[in-house]
Amino acid sequence: GQQVMQIPQYQHVQEGEDFTTYCNSSTTLSNIQWYKQRPGGHPVFLIQLVKSGEVKKQKRLTFQFGEAKKNSSLHITATQTTDVGTYFCAGRPNDYKLSFGAGTTVTVRA
Amino acid sequence: DTAVSQTPKYLVTQMGNDKSIKCEQNLGHDTMYWYKQDSKKFLKIMFSYNNKELIINETVPNRFSPKSPDKAHLNLHINSLELGDSAVYFCASSQEAGVAGELFFGEGSRLTVL
Repeated sequence: GQQVMQIPQYQHVQEGEDFTTYCNSSTTLSNIQWYKQRPGGHPVFLIQLVKSGEVKKQKRLTFQFGEAKKNSSLHITATQTTDVGTYFCAGRPNDYKLSFGAGTTVTVRA
Repeated sequence: DTAVSQTPKYLVTQMGNDKSIKCEQNLGHDTMYWYKQDSKKFLKIMFSYNNKELIINETVPNRFSPKSPDKAHLNLHINSLELGDSAVYFCASSQEAGVAGELFFGEGSRLTVL
C-alpha cells in the first residue's frame, strides 16, 4: 500500500498568495525528494532532503524535513502562474524503494 | 540530447493486442525504472533494473514483461492489453538504486486501449 501520504490532493490558489503541501509517512524516511510535474509533462526533480530538521530554499519554494524524518512540507510564497502543476513528494522508508505521494495538483487564479 | 527518451509518445490500440514501449538513457546511470501514472496522477512503480538485473518487481500482471538488453535500455512489453492498462507509462533512471538516487524521467508514453 501507499506508504507516503500527501495532502491536500488539490490546491486552488489566488495569484500572489502562499500555500503549503504536506507529506507524511508512518515510518522513518532515509530521505525525501520533491518533484514537479507540469500539465502534460513529466515529473522533474526539485530537491532532496536528508538530514533531520533540514530546510532548503529555492527562490520562492521552501522545503522542510521534519525532526523525526517522518514528514516534509513544501511552502510556496507569492504564487505565480508558472507554479501550476502537480507536486510530488517521494520518500524511502528504511532505505527501500522510493515511494511517491499521491501529489498535490495546484491551479492558480489570476 | 534528451537524457531519458521513450518511444512511442502516444499509442492507441485495441484490447487484446500486444505492444512495446522502448526507453533509452544517455546519462550513464546504472538503474532504470518503469512507472505507471493513472488518471488520478498516482505514480506507481512497476519494475526496476540495476545494471540489467531486475531488482524491483511490484505486483504487476505477468502480461507486463520488462527487458533490459544493456544498462542504457529498458523496454516494456505488454501482452493481451486490457482497458485498465490505459495510462501514461514513464521510464526513469537514477545513478544509484539506493538512498541517493534522484530520478530522471522520460517524457512518458500515453497508452490508450480501446
